[in-house]
Order: sequence, then C-alpha cells, then structure tokens
Amino acid sequence: NAGVTQTPKFRVLKTGQSMTLLCAQDMNHEYMYWYRQDPGMGLRLIHYSVGEGTTAKGEVPDGYNVSRLKKQNFLLGLESAAPSQTSVYFCASSYDENTEAFFGQGTRLTVV
Amino acid sequence: QKEVEQDPGPLSVPEGAIVSLNCTYSNSAFQYFMWYRQYSRKGPELLMYTYSSGNKEDGRFTAQVDKSSKYISLFIRDSQPSDSATYLCAMKKVTSYDKVIFGPGTSLSVIP
Repeated sequence: NAGVTQTPKFRVLKTGQSMTLLCAQDMNHEYMYWYRQDPGMGLRLIHYSVGEGTTAKGEVPDGYNVSRLKKQNFLLGLESAAPSQTSVYFCASSYDENTEAFFGQGTRLTVV
Repeated sequence: QKEVEQDPGPLSVPEGAIVSLNCTYSNSAFQYFMWYRQYSRKGPELLMYTYSSGNKEDGRFTAQVDKSSKYISLFIRDSQPSDSATYLCAMKKVTSYDKVIFGPGTSLSVIP
C-alpha cells in the first residue's frame, strides 16, 4: 500500500522556470492538500481539493496553481519560480475534513 | 501574534525521561486538536487526535487539552531514541471550511 506518493523528491530550478509537482494517492480519498514547510513557520496550506474537478485556495496560494483532473492525482504548478518558493512541499490526503490526513514524503525544491 | 505557538526547541532528554511538549493558541473556536510526529526528511504522521477538552492516552503517549487556558500538551513516558523527531501540534475549528492550522514544531532528541 503506497499511500501518498510525491514526484519528484528533489528539484533545483532557476528563477523564472516552471515545474509541476505530482501527488498520487491510492486510498480513494476525496480531500487532497498541498502544503509548504519552512523553518519556524510550520506547515502552511497552499491549495486544496474536496473532490475530483474541484480546487480552492489556502493560506498562501500566490504563485501556485493546482489541478485535480483525476480523483487520485493532485498537481501543483509553479509558472514562474521565485527564490521565495524555495521550500519543502508536502502533499496530503484525507477521507474528509475531520479525519486523519496522510502525508507524502515531501519534495525539496530550491530556486536559485 | 501567530494563531498557534510552539517552542521550537531543540529539546534533548535522556532515554527513559518523561517528555512534555506544549502548544498555546489564541483562537477559542478551535475544537479539534492533533499531534503529528515528523521524522527527519519524512512527512508528518498523525500521533494523537482529540476533540474539545480532556485527556487521551495511547500507550506511552498522553494528549491533554485545556481550553480554558488555550493550552495543549503531549506527554511521552519512558522516552526512547526512536521518539527523536519533530512534533507538530495542529488544530481546527468545527466549521467545514476552516482548515487545519499547524504549529511550527518542536525538535526532540532522546539520547541513549
């Protein structure tokens, strides 16, 4: 049982480049989330989805876009990367908003 | 003032010690309280989940919520080197559109 899988695990981008982070879950969860984790800041919600075809903004959505075309996948896009987007990105999924969230192993992104 | 405050540590204790990890919060509307454990370079995993005030025990772990003081605690008895990790508190209001707010985490090292 893979749970939540993030691709890639590491990436270095130049300022202005674009990339897509992929999250896949095999637990048939409706809810999926993208967080970023920075030192001293905790996990901050970027975007989330409550079901296939839906997306919504979280606490820090600027500079990111998301898509949920299939229930099992949640994509996070950076159209024009900035050094301020250097962070560790975590995807998570849950059955509903009040049940346990399962996290992926994280993607370490550095923007130079 | 951040909604959820947590002493970042690092906290270093000898094996077998009782560990107390704490969070304070400012919003009295929080009703769900969680503790996540995050090993180095891994995603967070849920450790304890409580609703409203009171205590909850699970093996060596006890979660305590004091809503009157806006203070939550996680106690670890007979601490083990395998407990070395970062512990994140998290909390949520009852309404479905409010998402989970995470504390910045406390780094714990249990020395053999």
